[in-house]
Amino acid sequence: AQTVTQSQPEMSVQEAETVTLSCTYDTSESDYYLFWYKQPPSRQMILVIRQEAYKQQNATENRFSVNFQKAAKSFSLKISDSQLGDAAMYFCAYRDAIRYIFGTGTRLKVLA
Amino acid sequence: NAGVMQNPRHLVRRRGQEARLRCSPMKGHSHVYWYRQLPEEGLKFMVYLQKENIIDESGMPKERFSAEFPKEGPSILRIQQVVRGDSAAYFCASSPSGTGSSPLHFGNGTRLTVT
Repeated sequence: AQTVTQSQPEMSVQEAETVTLSCTYDTSESDYYLFWYKQPPSRQMILVIRQEAYKQQNATENRFSVNFQKAAKSFSLKISDSQLGDAAMYFCAYRDAIRYIFGTGTRLKVLA
Repeated sequence: NAGVMQNPRHLVRRRGQEARLRCSPMKGHSHVYWYRQLPEEGLKFMVYLQKENIIDESGMPKERFSAEFPKEGPSILRIQQVVRGDSAAYFCASSPSGTGSSPLHFGNGTRLTVT
């Protein structure tokens, strides 16, 4: 069965610094997609970035980028120039033809 | 273009009562997912539905829980004879297709409290 693991329950970063959130997954599928979502205190789930497994190039969205290592089944999120508004729970997610599953989340604290 | 609408936002039920949670997906979306989130925890997959069909219900408890997505109207997550352990936030999300890189569009959730 497919699984998504986030081994860091909580991370802290100083404002303007860079932080990396880890995510590993397990699947036997060849066609799948990976996502990072953000959940601020409002509870609204917000898409941060997505990656197609068939693309070798790492996705980038402004200050957010991923390090996708397909062979290692690793999908980490890098946040550059961290801002106070980045403080939230971050969830890694996996999708194939049937499943859309989430990791347990990493709570990111941004220190002023 | 309205997003995913969930209601009620908050629901309080006594033990043994029934809870009905509603989800109207985004216009044009025919795929609906339900997730449960306990305090300070992640989203746990419950069920994936397409119009009139349950595609995957592997995350649903075998008893007391059911879900439907009729041809007309919202998707309904129904919990019969609620217990305190059912207290959680329940999120609905929709997607235009069952595959691909389309992200899920989430509702704001229904917070169920069982007293």
